[in-house]
Amino acid sequence: EDKVVQSPLSLVVHEGDTVTLNCSYEVTNFRSLLWYKQEKKAPTFLFMLTSSGIEKKSGRLSSILDKKELFSILNITATQTGDSAVYLCACRKTSYDKVIFGPGTSLSVIP
Amino acid sequence: DADVTQTPRNRITKTGKRIMLECSQTKGHDRMYWYRQDPGLGLRLIYYSFDVKDINKGEISDGYSVSRQAQAKFSLSLESAIPNQTALYFCATSEDELEPQHFGDGTRLSIL
Repeated sequence: EDKVVQSPLSLVVHEGDTVTLNCSYEVTNFRSLLWYKQEKKAPTFLFMLTSSGIEKKSGRLSSILDKKELFSILNITATQTGDSAVYLCACRKTSYDKVIFGPGTSLSVIP
Repeated sequence: DADVTQTPRNRITKTGKRIMLECSQTKGHDRMYWYRQDPGLGLRLIYYSFDVKDINKGEISDGYSVSRQAQAKFSLSLESAIPNQTALYFCATSEDELEPQHFGDGTRLSIL
C-alpha cells in the first residue's frame, strides 16, 4: 500500500531559526514529489521534485529529493511568523495520475 | 477572482440528507479532483476526472458520487450523509501529470 510519512507532525520554533521538515515515501510507480504550504485555506504549491540530488530553491525555502533512500526534505532558513502553516508532502504516481498526501507538518513560528 | 471556486464554503446538515458540493474552474484544465481532509490524515482522494467522459474512483469513494457536467465543472454528491463524512473538502485541477495541482479554498462540511 502506498504511504507518505512526514516528520515531525508539529514543530514550534522562534523567528530566525532554521527548520528541516522530512518526508519519506513508499509509493509504487513514483513520478514526482510535491511540497505544498497550507495556511487557513487552499494548499499552495511550493516545489515539485522529480530528480535526485537537484536542489530547488525559492527565497528562504529549499528542497531536495533522494530517490534511492525515498525521502525529501524541505528547509526553511531565517523563519518568519508568516511561515506558520501546515506543510504537506505529496507523491504523484505515473499510474492514473494519483497523488498520495502525507499527514502534514504543522509549523508554528513564534516571535 | 479565484481560478478554482468551491461552493458552498461552509455547510451544516443532518444525517441522511443529500448534499452536493460544486467546483468550477477558469484555468481550462482537463483534470479535476475531489479530496477530503481530516486532522492528522492529510488529503485523501475521493474521485478524479481526466475529461468529461473519464471519471475514476480514488481511495475513499464509498458514499460519494461525482458528475463532470462540463470541462469547467465537477460536482461531488453525498447521497445520504453520515457524521463521519464531516470534513474539509477540496477540489483541485491540473493541466496534466507533469504540472502541480491547483486547489480551491475548500468546503467545510459538518453532518450532525
